[in-house]
Amino acid sequence: QSVLTQPPSVSGAPGQRVTISCTGSSSNIGAGFGVHWYQQLPGTAPKLLIYGNTNRPSGVPDRFSGSKSGTSVSLAITGLQADDEADYYCQSYDSSVTGWVFGGGTKLTVL
Amino acid sequence: EVQMVESGGGLVQPGGSLRLSCAASGFIFSSNSMSWIRQAPGKGLEWISFISNTGSPIYYSDSVKGRFTISRDNAKNSLFLQMNSLRAEDTAVYYCARIVGAYGQTNFDYWGQGTLVTVSS
Repeated sequence: QSVLTQPPSVSGAPGQRVTISCTGSSSNIGAGFGVHWYQQLPGTAPKLLIYGNTNRPSGVPDRFSGSKSGTSVSLAITGLQADDEADYYCQSYDSSVTGWVFGGGTKLTVL
Repeated sequence: EVQMVESGGGLVQPGGSLRLSCAASGFIFSSNSMSWIRQAPGKGLEWISFISNTGSPIYYSDSVKGRFTISRDNAKNSLFLQMNSLRAEDTAVYYCARIVGAYGQTNFDYWGQGTLVTVSS
C-alpha cells in the first residue's frame, strides 16, 4: 500500500484531456511538502515531468500541467497523443517515515 | 549532459551480497545529494536510500535499513550501494537518481537507466 494514492489506470482518446489524482495526508502533501510527477515510458527509466506541484522542467510540453488543492494534487494532460501512453507517478516527502514516498502509479492508455 | 550509469546487478542467492555502482557525469557530483530507488518487476517505485553531497546525513527506508549501505566517492564521481542479506523481495531494477530542490521540495531530476538485481536460488 503506497503512502500516496493514485488511480491504477486512466484512459482517453487522442486529443482529449485526462487528469490523474494523487492524494496524501498531513505528513506529506498536507504538510506543505512539494509534489512531483514522473513519466515512465515502457522499458525506460522515470523522467521528471512536473516539480514543485506546478512547474515544468525545460523541454516538457505545456500539454502537461500540475495543480494542488489541500492534500490532493493532480496532473493534467491535454491534447492526448499516442506516445503519452506510459506510467505516471507522483512523489513527495513524508515526515512520518523520514523519507521520500511515491504513489502507486497510474497507467495511461490512449485509446 | 547529465548522465548516470548503474552497474553491478545480477543474479544472487538469498542471503548473498551485491555491490551496485553508479557513475555520474555532466554535473558537479560533489555538489549534489543522491539516492537509490528501486522498482520490483511490474510494480511501482520505492525510494530506499539517500546520501547528502558530503556523505552525511544518510537515510534508509525501513525495508533495507540494517542490510544496505549507501556510500559515495566524490573524487571518482561515483555512488555505491552495498546490499547484504539479500531476500527474494529485493528483486528489482535499481536506479540511482540525482536529488535537487530545497528542503521540502526535493525531487529526482535525473535517473540512470537502472540495473537489475535478481535474488533467487
